[in-house]
Amino acid sequence: AQSVTQLGSHVSVSEGALVLLRCNYSSSVPPYLFWYVQYPNQGLQLLLKYTSAATLVKGINGFEAEFKKSETSFHLTKPSAHMSDAAEYFCAVSDRAAGNKLTFGGGTRVLVKP
Amino acid sequence: EPEVTQTPSHQVTQMGQEVILRCVPISNHLYFYWYRQILGQKVEFLVSFYNNEISEKSEIFDDQFSVERPDGSNFTLKIRSTKLEDSAMYFCASTGTNNQPQHFGDGTRLSIL
Repeated sequence: AQSVTQLGSHVSVSEGALVLLRCNYSSSVPPYLFWYVQYPNQGLQLLLKYTSAATLVKGINGFEAEFKKSETSFHLTKPSAHMSDAAEYFCAVSDRAAGNKLTFGGGTRVLVKP
Repeated sequence: EPEVTQTPSHQVTQMGQEVILRCVPISNHLYFYWYRQILGQKVEFLVSFYNNEISEKSEIFDDQFSVERPDGSNFTLKIRSTKLEDSAMYFCASTGTNNQPQHFGDGTRLSIL
């Protein structure tokens, strides 16, 4: 069975400050890992994915995440927060088989202060 | 860019009534999914569908739930006799191949009264 833990249900950052969202996973098989973002009244939009190529993954909107197998982590970062980054962020894991389900973390809501 | 579309955006139904949530996946995708998110809780997997049959289903997906791909474009989730606890946001997703990410629709908010 797989599971995902996101530390911190809410994070508040100042505009221009570093954004760091933590994600730890548990998986009995090598995983695929994803970060999705959800803006109010919208669906889940893919930010980035790790599928066993480079461990440092770059995504959209200036976000990146690093896969650390030894720490079972896939933390999401952005060097400089923008007001438009205010949203809820979900980490998700799936195993490496065709069409497999995603298991999500509880989400982290990001508030950006001017 | 192709999108997954879901209708309606909000559905209000009396307890005990049947409800059908509709999704149009991206046209060349092969794998289809339903997830739900109860207010304040995690996004939870309900069911996956491939080659016209269910691939996997969760414990939530009991006999009250069913899925169907009635034609080449639609993918539906039916709840036969709704309960108050079925109130949630329901997301449809699709993907084309193994390591491609799932693309999500904007969801249907289901409110059971």
